[in-house]
Amino acid sequence: KAGVTQTPRYLIKTRGQQVTLSCSPISGHRSVSWYQQTPGQGLQFLFEYFSETQRNKGNFPGRFSGRQFSNSRSEMNVSTLELGDSALYLCASSAWGSGGPRNEQFFGPGTRLTVL
Amino acid sequence: AQSVTQPDIHITVSEGASLELRCNYSYGATPYLFWYVQSPGQGLQLLLKYFSGDTLVQGIKGFEAEFKRSQSSFNLRKPSVHWSDAAEYFCAVADSGGGADGLTFGKGTHLIIQP
Repeated sequence: KAGVTQTPRYLIKTRGQQVTLSCSPISGHRSVSWYQQTPGQGLQFLFEYFSETQRNKGNFPGRFSGRQFSNSRSEMNVSTLELGDSALYLCASSAWGSGGPRNEQFFGPGTRLTVL
Repeated sequence: AQSVTQPDIHITVSEGASLELRCNYSYGATPYLFWYVQSPGQGLQLLLKYFSGDTLVQGIKGFEAEFKRSQSSFNLRKPSVHWSDAAEYFCAVADSGGGADGLTFGKGTHLIIQP
């Protein structure tokens, strides 16, 4: 079974631009979560989608948004980029059955975003 | 709100020696606890998890962890480390109340293996 894939793997943008990152979950997984990883703040939860609906959102400004498609693929968008948005963005998918948070999250390799 | 503390930013261990990585959590009820490992340029891989029951859990790659409610700890152990264990290790907690708050991670411990 193929793992979680994220595209692109690396991205360089300038301040003020916007960016869209893509995540394809493991086949059959309906839950997709996004995390931001930086040296200073560590790993922080951005949001989680299930069946095309955002179920929860972390403490990030409205510039960070996402969506999920009917095939469970997800995109996240960051508008008006700031230098502090430079980070590794990780996507994770899980089956999210009746076990809820017990379902293992499988992480992709991440997208490294650099904002200049 | 739940939180996770990993007191050691870096740990250096000789190859073949035992390892213990510390993790303390703050949560109102019994949490769901996880240990993940991240190698350079890669995503996170789950080593083990604790939900309930036996407080000593076994994971992959020879790792184990013990849940101690009285100390709010979930320390990761390995009896003999290998050079390939050098990586970043993250402890995480999830809401056991059925919410979808995502995982709350500690800041990580960077493990260095000395030959």
